[in-house]
Amino acid sequence: QKEVEQDPGPLSVPEGAIVSLNCTYSNSAFQYFMWYRQYSRKGPELLMYTYSSGNKEDGRFTAQVDKSSKYISLFIRDSQPSDSATYLCAMKADSSASKIIFGSGTRLSIRP
Amino acid sequence: DSGVTQTPKHLITATGQRVTLRCSPRSGDLSVYWYQQSLDQGLQFLIQYYNGEERAKGNILERFSAQQFPDLHSELNLSSLELGDSALYFCASSVGQGAGANVLTFGAGSRLTVL
Repeated sequence: QKEVEQDPGPLSVPEGAIVSLNCTYSNSAFQYFMWYRQYSRKGPELLMYTYSSGNKEDGRFTAQVDKSSKYISLFIRDSQPSDSATYLCAMKADSSASKIIFGSGTRLSIRP
Repeated sequence: DSGVTQTPKHLITATGQRVTLRCSPRSGDLSVYWYQQSLDQGLQFLIQYYNGEERAKGNILERFSAQQFPDLHSELNLSSLELGDSALYFCASSVGQGAGANVLTFGAGSRLTVL
């Protein structure tokens, strides 16, 4: 069993819809949680970064962490075609960036 | 442009050959990380360097090696290539220490195809 599980999709939704992307994990020591966005033929770029449980909002994006359920989510409101990309969740137990474990990514497509 | 530069963008070679991938980190970043991304394995951490010294090792094969030079650029050497080494290879950089160490900036990647 992988440490981090993520549904690969693809997920296709109409423009303006609310998108929910999720990951589950097995290592209870994880404390830092991230979401990366990767456009085709590009490297991943950091979208959201949270520490421990709770919510964090940045514009149309909200990251949620539920450590008791070992479950994290990324919500995208008012989705746009430019949000079409692969979204990777990532997490780690300590501050060392070399220990980041990535999910395999969910491919998201927003239909105009 | 993320500020992390990787060359070459694409590389096609044959089994048994050796290739070198190059990475220049973002200005001011001291730490360089190498990742391999394939369809079945996702993004896998290979190795990290900080200011010229190896800092951490991940799932890096013995046929692979890396180094970071005094000007902070890094090279990933892949030898005795096999078909299964075909993948995207990403370099990422960070400041290396403190709060900024958590934030990775990725390059656009080098796509390696082994025939």
